Amino acid sequence: AQSVAQPEDQVNVAEGNPLTVKCTYSVSGNPYLFWYVQYPNRGLQFLLKYITGDNLVKGSYGFEAEFNKSQTSFHLKKPSALVSDSALYFCAVRNQAGTALIFGKGTTLSVSS
Amino acid sequence: DAGVIQSPRHEVTEMGQEVTLRCKPISGHNSLFWYRQTMMRGLELLIYFNNNVPIDDSGMPEDRFSAKMPNASFSTLKIQPSEPRDSAVYFCASIAGTGTYGYTFGSGTRLTVV
Repeated sequence: AQSVAQPEDQVNVAEGNPLTVKCTYSVSGNPYLFWYVQYPNRGLQFLLKYITGDNLVKGSYGFEAEFNKSQTSFHLKKPSALVSDSALYFCAVRNQAGTALIFGKGTTLSVSS
Repeated sequence: DAGVIQSPRHEVTEMGQEVTLRCKPISGHNSLFWYRQTMMRGLELLIYFNNNVPIDDSGMPEDRFSAKMPNASFSTLKIQPSEPRDSAVYFCASIAGTGTYGYTFGSGTRLTVV
């Protein structure tokens, strides 16, 4: 069965520093991977996706993610964190039927000024 | 486009009462999903519809939960009777095609059962 794991419940980083939020996946076949962000009391917002092609995917708000097939990882990155990036981040994989998304537990990102 | 619209935003009800959550997907989207978010279990897929037909309801926790999609622009998730452990945020999402262009989520309904 398809699954994703986010090994860190929380990531703390200082404003201006690079940030990484980790995600590993387990899939049968080619992975369709996504990152979403959730701000307090809001729904999930799409950040970026990997379907095929370049391993470095660029998304919204300056975020990017690197697909690494050998390490089965899809880490979210940003070169310079902003306080406004503080939120809950979810990695997701499309299920084997190719329809619904299966989400990780989420990682809380806290950016301090 | 107004996005995926859920109502109500907040619902507080007493144990044993019936609760109905509502969702209006984005016009033209042909699949709709209901998710539940809790601290303990994260985001869980409850059920999804394709062209108004329930395809997979294996995530529905028990018979107290039911979902319908009478037409392409409206879906409901009903809990009857409600229990305190149903307290969670319930999200609706919709996609066009197979979702390779992303899934759009509503703002959610925060349900509290006391």
